[in-house]
Amino acid sequence: SQQGEEDPQALSIQEGENATMNCSYKTSINNLQWYRQNSGRGLVHLILIRSNEREKHSGRLRVTLDTSKKSSSLLITASRAADTASYFCATAPQGAQKLVFGQGTRLTINP
Amino acid sequence: DAGITQSPRHKVTETGTPVTLRCHQTENHRYMYWYRQDPGHGLRLIHYSYGVKDTDKGEVSDGYSVSRSKTEDFLLTLESATSSQTSVYFCAISEELRGREYGYTFGSGTRLTVV
Repeated sequence: SQQGEEDPQALSIQEGENATMNCSYKTSINNLQWYRQNSGRGLVHLILIRSNEREKHSGRLRVTLDTSKKSSSLLITASRAADTASYFCATAPQGAQKLVFGQGTRLTINP
Repeated sequence: DAGITQSPRHKVTETGTPVTLRCHQTENHRYMYWYRQDPGHGLRLIHYSYGVKDTDKGEVSDGYSVSRSKTEDFLLTLESATSSQTSVYFCAISEELRGREYGYTFGSGTRLTVV
């Protein structure tokens, strides 16, 4: 079964608003990563947060990680139409050289 | 994406026929992966490789085999395609980001339809 589960499955907001997506996972991890997928394309790596980190920023992206709750959130601030995509969390289980992906959140930014 | 290509991009095949998908990388990465993507399931790992002739199963490996005779090529074979294998297949390579951490770079995908 999937390691990560994301919430919500779909999110539609107005341009300029902030978008928040959540991810939960089941086992101990080395790190958690977020990826973006534009329609018809492969996934693109956005950001990685280590298991000993609580928050990380990259441009308009802010990721938090709560290992006690086994959850993470991705915040995109000041959304743009170009942010329309599906977003996936992926966990790197301890001792494994492979990522396990969630089902993704489909984000739509309305102009 | 830089250094990783999948072929073909699209394929329609008949039930029961063998199909081979190819993933080619130009950057000498050790780890390569095959995932399938289906609505409601996200990405699921089929097989992965950690070196030439070194492969291991993922969570949905039944009906699939892989081969890696050269560092740059990772082949995924459906020995006898079934309709349940209609999917989008992604290849990925593992790249070191910093220290001992790694992230994936994905190919553009192969859309396979089994009729």
